[in-house]
Amino acid sequence: GESVGLHLPTLSVQEGDNSIINCAYSNSASDYFIWYKQESGKGPQFIIDIRSNMDKRQGQRVTVLLNKTVKHLSLQIAATQPGDSAVYFCAETEANFGNEKLTFGTGTRLTIIP
Amino acid sequence: ETGVTQTPRHLVMGMTNKKSLKCEQHLGHNAMYWYKQSAKKPLELMFVYSLEERVENNSVPSRFSPECPNSSHLFLHLHTLQPEDSALYLCASSPDKGGGYTFGSGTRLTVV
Repeated sequence: GESVGLHLPTLSVQEGDNSIINCAYSNSASDYFIWYKQESGKGPQFIIDIRSNMDKRQGQRVTVLLNKTVKHLSLQIAATQPGDSAVYFCAETEANFGNEKLTFGTGTRLTIIP
Repeated sequence: ETGVTQTPRHLVMGMTNKKSLKCEQHLGHNAMYWYKQSAKKPLELMFVYSLEERVENNSVPSRFSPECPNSSHLFLHLHTLQPEDSALYLCASSPDKGGGYTFGSGTRLTVV
């Protein structure tokens, strides 16, 4: 079956270092990908998205990389801060199907060590 | 405050109780959603409403009953729940069925 998953359930990074969170997907028809951040006691919050016609997209301190050949997605966070500690989810969909086909991964817990 | 407000934040209910979860958005969005978030499992879509009409229910048990009286409000009515229904229930809205989500902070439900 189709699945979206993360390579590691937990990741600890020293404050100030860069972090990379990975995500694998299996639906080759997926063409829209999103990263969410969920802090304790809050709902998921949109971070950045990317469409399949792009390999890389940058935001503020975050970069998403998409490798369609191996169906892999990554989120890079530069110069991590304590506020980056959270669970990060990737999600995928086929843009034509809308949100009801959005599939989420299980999440990676990122802990920033002071 | 994300623009999507859920109440209550926490709820403990017995298996014979009837309770309702409430979600409210004033973002002008046309689509609203209920998700279930269980430990170590991906977010599970339960219900989708677009322009107040239900478009997806994903085979959710009938002990969960959604209601969308208008485009700003969404309810999830609960009755005769099971302990395995304990989870974080998240409401989300989007401009349309294909737009980006805004999630609420969720209701942490415990069924005893």
